[in-house]
Amino acid sequence: DAGVTQSPTHLIKTRGQQVTLRCSPKSGHDTVSWYQQALGQGPQFIFQYYEEEERQRGNFPDRFSGHQFPNYSSELNVNALLLGDSALYLCASSLMASGEVTGELFFGEGSRLTVL
Amino acid sequence: GQNIDQPTEMTATEGAIVQINCTYQTSGFNGLFWYQQHAGEAPTFLSYNVLDGLEEKGRFSSFLSRSKGYSYLLLKELQMKDSASYLCAVLSGNTGKLIFGQGTTLQVKP
Repeated sequence: DAGVTQSPTHLIKTRGQQVTLRCSPKSGHDTVSWYQQALGQGPQFIFQYYEEEERQRGNFPDRFSGHQFPNYSSELNVNALLLGDSALYLCASSLMASGEVTGELFFGEGSRLTVL
Repeated sequence: GQNIDQPTEMTATEGAIVQINCTYQTSGFNGLFWYQQHAGEAPTFLSYNVLDGLEEKGRFSSFLSRSKGYSYLLLKELQMKDSASYLCAVLSGNTGKLIFGQGTTLQVKP
């Protein structure tokens, strides 16, 4: 049973560039949440996708956008990269029932983005 | 506002017991999670408390007091591999949004 998979695991970009990160949720899960974790900090909620729509959003600018596909996989896009966007980007999957998350949230290994 | 506080760093000795505290003030509460995170890796689930009291799972136990906005993670019989960051996170609402503390880096020494 595959867990949450993310790609790429590491990448380096320069300021102003754009990046796309990908996440496949755990088998049977339909909800994907994205988190940003700066070095030495706890993860910060970016947004959540369910039924191919953004359901919740944290305090992140519009440069951060996402998408969920019919197979529940998701992408996180960041435009006009800044040095401060350097972080570990974590994807968490869960199962939604009647508008509520059921069970545990599972995290992927993350994508470490370095912006130079 | 949303605020979760936990100590930044702790040091303990192999074989000992350590308690990591977490206090929270959040606009919604649907449970509290503890995660372990080794450097460069993803957080892994340790425990989930939604009702007051103590939950025990092997060497790890977690306690919750909702009236006090307080939780702790208790690690017994510490091993070197327990050196990691421990994250306290509150489930805000019922839609799976987690609000994390900054994490407590635990160093276990021989």
